[in-house]
Amino acid sequence: SAVISQKPSRDICQRGTSLTIQCQVDSQVTMMFWYRQQPGQSLTLIATANQGSEATYESGFVIDKFPISRPNLTFSTLTVSNMSPEDSSIYLCSVLVLAGKNEQYFGPGTRLTVT
Amino acid sequence: AQKVTQAQTEISVVEKEDVTLDCVYETRDTTYYLFWYKQPPSGELVFLIRRNSFDEQNEISGRYSWNFQKSTSSFNFTITASQVVDSAVYFCALKNYGGATNKLIFGTGTLLAVQP
Repeated sequence: SAVISQKPSRDICQRGTSLTIQCQVDSQVTMMFWYRQQPGQSLTLIATANQGSEATYESGFVIDKFPISRPNLTFSTLTVSNMSPEDSSIYLCSVLVLAGKNEQYFGPGTRLTVT
Repeated sequence: AQKVTQAQTEISVVEKEDVTLDCVYETRDTTYYLFWYKQPPSGELVFLIRRNSFDEQNEISGRYSWNFQKSTSSFNFTITASQVVDSAVYFCALKNYGGATNKLIFGTGTLLAVQP
C-alpha cells in the first residue's frame, strides 16, 4: 500500500478566493488522481495528474478552475480557483500503486467549505 | 456505458447480525476491475478489495466476504457478525482494464449503521 497525506485537512474559505491542496505520497507511484466528493454524494474524478506534463481533465472540469501540478512522482497539488459555495466538497488525492495489481488508494481528503 | 448501482441507500442492523451490501455494475468491456471501499465518519476512504473480471473465485477475509457473479453483473459484500466499528459508507467501484484514464466509476454508496 501507500501512505498518502494531504494538506490542509480542512479549510473554510471565502467566495472568490483560491485554495491549493497538497498531496504527498511516501513512495513513487505510477499515477496520481484528484477526486471530488460533494456533500452526501459519491466520488467523481476531476483529473489525472501527469508528471512533467499537463493534467488530463474529465468532462465538466477545466484547467482554469482546477489547475493541477505534479512536479515529481510523489507530490501533486490541486488548486480550487475563484471559489463559490458550490465548490464545498471533500477533495481526495488518489494513487495507483503497482500498476499490475491495480490497487488504488486514497488520501484522507481535504474538507473545503466555501462561505 | 459504465455504471455502478448500489440500490441500498441505508441499512441498519444490530450488532452481530450478518449484512450483505449489494453492487450491480454495467460495462461493455470484457476485462475490468471491481473494488470495495469503506468510508468511516472520519472521511478517509479505505481500500477493502479489488477483483479482476476473469477471476470469479469468491474471497473471504476475516468477517468480510465477497461474492462475484459475472452472470448477474454483481459483486456483493457480506459482513458476518457485524460490529459497531463497521458503521460507515461503503462504496463499490468499477474500472476498465487498460482504460485511457484509469478512471474509477463509483456507486452512490450504502450507509451501514450497526447498532449496539
